[in-house]
Amino acid sequence: DAKTTQPPSMDCAEGRAANLPCNHSTISGNEYVYWYRQIHSQGPQYIIHGLKNNETNEMASLIITEDRKSSTLILPHATLRDTAVYYCIVRPFSGNTPLVFGKGTRLSVIA
Amino acid sequence: NAGVTQTPKFQVLKTGQSMTLQCAQDMNHNSMYWYRQDPGMGLRLIYYSASEGTTDKGEVPNGYNVSRLNKREFSLRLESAAPSQTSVYFCASSARDRTNHEQFFGPGTRLTVL
Repeated sequence: DAKTTQPPSMDCAEGRAANLPCNHSTISGNEYVYWYRQIHSQGPQYIIHGLKNNETNEMASLIITEDRKSSTLILPHATLRDTAVYYCIVRPFSGNTPLVFGKGTRLSVIA
Repeated sequence: NAGVTQTPKFQVLKTGQSMTLQCAQDMNHNSMYWYRQDPGMGLRLIYYSASEGTTDKGEVPNGYNVSRLNKREFSLRLESAAPSQTSVYFCASSARDRTNHEQFFGPGTRLTVL
């Protein structure tokens, strides 16, 4: 079973920041937080990952609480192309550990 | 680089027929994976191969077999297809070194079993 809890759906106005929450209260010390997204029926796409520090890349920012029990993915200026299902996944990094997907959050960006 | 490629893109089978889904990656990755995704659900792991010559069962392996043909290729076989295997199948690959966290996914094979 997935070890994360996400809201099933969220809406966001185009141009505004999209903040997607994830609860992972049972996360272990050696587990990373990963975010992937799946646009329509395409294969999932990696967005970002983090261990305990906040992370930022060209796609998004990841904010992890100090106790690591929850995190927030931030898309700073959402566009219609960001409409997708977003998956929050925790796993230990061993290079070949499979990802375990939950149902994710369906983000709808509205014009 | 083509990344992860899958063939075929679409397939319709009759119950009891067999078929092999092909997957190849050109990123020199050691690990490869097969997932299935049913409507409205997240992806579920069928089998994975941590390295060439090894395969392991995932969450839903029943009714499937896999072959890691070489480092590039990882195939999924349905010996006797059933309607419950109607799904979208995704192949993925990843490196094993600790600097690479990303898993790369193919475009999927959409399978319908009548």
